[in-house]
Amino acid sequence: AQSVTQPDIHITVSEGASLELRCNYSYGATPYLFWYVQSPGQGLQLLLKYFSGDTLVQGIKGFEAEFKRSQSSFNLRKPSVHWSDAAEYFCAVGAGNTPLVFGKGTRLSVIA
Amino acid sequence: EPEVTQTPSHQVTQMGQEVILRCVPISNHLYFYWYRQILGQKVEFLVSFYNNEISEKSEIFDDQFSVERPDGSNFTLKIRSTKLEDSAMYFCASREGPGNTIYFGEGSWLTVV
Repeated sequence: AQSVTQPDIHITVSEGASLELRCNYSYGATPYLFWYVQSPGQGLQLLLKYFSGDTLVQGIKGFEAEFKRSQSSFNLRKPSVHWSDAAEYFCAVGAGNTPLVFGKGTRLSVIA
Repeated sequence: EPEVTQTPSHQVTQMGQEVILRCVPISNHLYFYWYRQILGQKVEFLVSFYNNEISEKSEIFDDQFSVERPDGSNFTLKIRSTKLEDSAMYFCASREGPGNTIYFGEGSWLTVV
């Protein structure tokens, strides 16, 4: 069965520090992988996606993610976090026209 | 940039009442979805819709739920008799074709009292 695991429920980082949010997936075929961000009371905004090709993908707002097939991971990174990055981050997996399966999310808090 | 729009942004309804949530997907998209997110929980798939019929649905999507594309632009989710546990954020989403990015709307907050 398809599943996504985000092992960190809540992460707190200092502004300017680097960030890595973990995502592991279980999927029977070659997956399409996504990271979405959700600010409080808002919708889901796509940060980046991986379909094929270069395993390091760049997204909006300075985020990047690396697909590692051997580890079934798609971790999200940012070299320097800004206070406005505080939000909930969701990893999702899908393929073809199948619905996306989401992880439970990681809430990011940013402190001064 | 084209976007998925949803109305209402927030609705409060009494238990047992019918609710219709509306969505306007991106115009050239062919696949439509409804997801929901109960407060503090993950986003869950409800139903997908293609070629004027349901293509897949989750176990959450029981007989109380229905979807419709009444005209060329709107995509609606109806809950016939709401329950307290239906309180959630409901997201509409669309994609152009298989394998393309799914775009989400801002969501409709449903509160059942």
